[in-house]
Amino acid sequence: EADIYQTPRYLVIGTGKKITLECSQTMGHDKMYWYQQDPGMELHLIHYSYGVNSTEKGDLSSESTVSRIRTEHFPLTLESARPSHTSQYLCASSEWGGGAYNEQFFGPGTRLTVL
Amino acid sequence: RKEVEQDPGPFNVPEGATVAFNCTYSNSASQSFFWYRQDCRKEPKLLMSVYSSGNEDGRFTAQLNRASQYISLLIRDSKLSDSATYLCVVNQPRGGGNKLTFGTGTQLKVEL
Repeated sequence: EADIYQTPRYLVIGTGKKITLECSQTMGHDKMYWYQQDPGMELHLIHYSYGVNSTEKGDLSSESTVSRIRTEHFPLTLESARPSHTSQYLCASSEWGGGAYNEQFFGPGTRLTVL
Repeated sequence: RKEVEQDPGPFNVPEGATVAFNCTYSNSASQSFFWYRQDCRKEPKLLMSVYSSGNEDGRFTAQLNRASQYISLLIRDSKLSDSATYLCVVNQPRGGGNKLTFGTGTQLKVEL
């Protein structure tokens, strides 16, 4: 089993609230990712990081922001949640392998519902 | 056109059947290819990588055709526990690193 954790697993919150989705991994991986996935749809990369103090936007535009102050921690924040943010958010990590691929390990996901 | 395209299914097959999934990708610079499995309401997990010469892992066989930009997954003697969504995943070069692009997935339902 992968050592990557996400909290909360489920979150139902009202419009306008600030939320932070937590993601942490104990594998010492440099690369971390956030994906968004709607039911029956593909995963979309919204943020990624190559290491501490590195953050990049992914393919899908997102109003969320991320930070990477510690290797093991990659939280995602929404300053003002809206119903359009309702989705599943999946965090993943992989080793740094230069140009080579390394398996991405996924956390269990956070199901966010904004009312 | 999507970067990675799959038939969404569902594929409903009887236990013991052989089933094949196909996937096409649009970027000829793609370097690595994979099949992930995602169970309902769960996270994706790597099933197998796809090598140029084709590769097999037990009942699962993956094939790659770079000229046609086509990837396949064959499952033999399907089990009830194989029921899941199978995601075709392509690794594309991106700046100093790499990027995984996921297909929508093909849903498999194995029935008694």
